[in-house]
Amino acid sequence: QVQLQESGPGLVKPSETLSLTCAVFGYSISSGYYWGWIRQPPGKGLEWIGNMFHSGSTYYNPSLESRVTISVDTSKNQVSLKLSSVTAADTAVYYCARFTRYDACDIWGQGTMVTVSS
Amino acid sequence: QSVLTQPPSVSAAPGQKVTISCSGSSSNIGNNYVSWYQQLPGTAPKLLIYDNNKRPSGIPDRFSGSKSGTSATLGITGLQTGDEADYYCGTWDYSLSAGVFGGGTKLTVL
Repeated sequence: QVQLQESGPGLVKPSETLSLTCAVFGYSISSGYYWGWIRQPPGKGLEWIGNMFHSGSTYYNPSLESRVTISVDTSKNQVSLKLSSVTAADTAVYYCARFTRYDACDIWGQGTMVTVSS
Repeated sequence: QSVLTQPPSVSAAPGQKVTISCSGSSSNIGNNYVSWYQQLPGTAPKLLIYDNNKRPSGIPDRFSGSKSGTSATLGITGLQTGDEADYYCGTWDYSLSAGVFGGGTKLTVL
């Protein structure tokens, strides 16, 4: 059974960099699929952040592309997210997900709440 | 403003059928497969439908998906109170080279 578990600071100061990690259990990232992130501001809908194939192909939401970096560490079987220059608008629950062909997310983490505040 | 358009809310009585629409364009729904997600209160989204009309293992056949042109539809029959949730459509957008979601539809089972 494949499971994803997000971790990282729950509070980040404005202008700093948000860093999250997603540990993947029950499946080797290097075996395939895209892996990435989706977020959900409080009371709002889902926003696609980006994803990455283990070999390096990466796609980002154009509205976040200048600030976001997604990376995969196959040795640790982890996916990471870095979002720089954060503002209050980046406050959200951040979900890690596995992306199947045609971009369907078949496995989700439980999500981690990140608040941007001084 | 979401790239895909969904009605904010729908409602129906227990046992009835409801449909949720998702409208897009030729750069997304019109040329790609659509997926649907159910998000129960306080939980992560769950994949209900992928590749327009396929159900993952464990999803009951009360849930169905279809696509026509630049629109997709999620159907739920035999509504149960446990189906009360937010539902999202999603697909790939070739113009953006990124995934996109609808704004979500809140289902109320009266």
